[in-house]
Order: sequence, then structure tokens, then C-alpha cells
Amino acid sequence: AQTVTQSQPEMSVQEAETVTLSCTYDTSESDYYLFWYKQPPSRQMILVIRQEAYKQQNATENRFSVNFQKAAKSFSLKISDSQLGDAAMYFCASNSFRGAGNMLTFGGGTRLMVKP
Amino acid sequence: DAMVIQNPRYQVTQFGKPVTLSCSQTLNHNVMYWYQQKSSQAPKLLFHYYDKDFNNEADTPDNFQSRRPNTSFCFLDIRSPGLGDAAMYLCATQVSGANVLTFGAGSRLTVL
Repeated sequence: AQTVTQSQPEMSVQEAETVTLSCTYDTSESDYYLFWYKQPPSRQMILVIRQEAYKQQNATENRFSVNFQKAAKSFSLKISDSQLGDAAMYFCASNSFRGAGNMLTFGGGTRLMVKP
Repeated sequence: DAMVIQNPRYQVTQFGKPVTLSCSQTLNHNVMYWYQQKSSQAPKLLFHYYDKDFNNEADTPDNFQSRRPNTSFCFLDIRSPGLGDAAMYLCATQVSGANVLTFGAGSRLTVL
């Protein structure tokens, strides 16, 4: 069984500033991935960044980076130089493979507001 | 161009009146998923297909069924919608063995 917890229902950041979204997880999988997905209002959910659990190096995608602490089961997302287009719901997720399927367990989400 | 298309985007139905939501994909992905996302909650997996093999989550209510007539299309049927079924329904696809899902924009169901 897996659980993913996002303790911040809402966050706010000033444009051009940096914000960090928190996520903790628990999994019985020995090999797993962690993800951050972004869901803009009325638009599709898109992948922001992913981390392979066996890799110690934190993933980075342009302005987005993660702080992966495996022992603490923590996976936070840092957004640098925040832009108005970053405003969205952000979901942290972990996966487990079942056959050919990639089962995602999502956290409850964090709504990010970006102030101009 | 949207690669996972869900129709309708908004659906209003009456209590107990069957409803069908559709999902089509141009990616030729062999795995397709249906998630239910209630307001301010995490998406919850209902079921998934690997090709034509159907996999139901243990806690998915019997009221929910799915069909996948071909690789491109997948349908979610709600036989007798209750007020508690009002939610956003998300379709997602994936290449077998990959770890990234491609989502549609969702179908928002309102039950009156």
C-alpha cells in the first residue's frame, strides 16, 4: 500500500520569487518513481518532474527542481523565478508497477497562487 | 494538438440516469486509465486496460463500468449516477513499461 501526503493545501508566491511545495510518501515498493504533476484550471494534468528512487541526485527541469530525501521519505518541489503561468494545482505522486500498468497514488494537492 | 481527448468536457445528468464518458487517444498507447477526482481531492484510480485486458480496482463501485472497443477509444459508463459520483473523470494513457502518463483534460460530471 502507498500513501502520499501534501500538507500544504494552498501556497502563495510573489512573481519571480522561489517557492517550495512539500510532499511525504510511504511505499512498500523497492523500486519506484516519484512525480510532480501540474493541473492548471480546466486543463489537463501534465508532468512537471520525476525522480527515480534509486538515484541519489535530485532531478532538475529548468526552473523546477526536487529535494529527494529517501530515508525521510520526503520529496519536495522547488519552483524558482515563479511565473504567472505556474499558478495551478500541484500533485505529488508515487508509483507501483502492476503488470504493464503504472499505478499512481496521488497526494491531495497543493494549490499554488502566483501574485503579480 | 491534444493527444488524449475526453468528451464531453462537461456533463450534467439526473440522479439515476446512465451516463457515458469517452476518451480517445492518438498516441497508440496500449495502457489506458480512468481516474475519479472529487473536488479538492486526489485523483483515485478506478480501473485500467492493458490492451483489451481489463483491471478493476478492488474498491471501484459496481456502478462504474468501462469498455475499450479498440486501442484508440475507452468509455466510462456510470449505470445509475448518485450525488456522490459528481466529480472530474480523468482519462490517461501510457506506453507499456513506461512510467509517465499522458492525461486528458477531464470530463466534469454534475448529478442533479
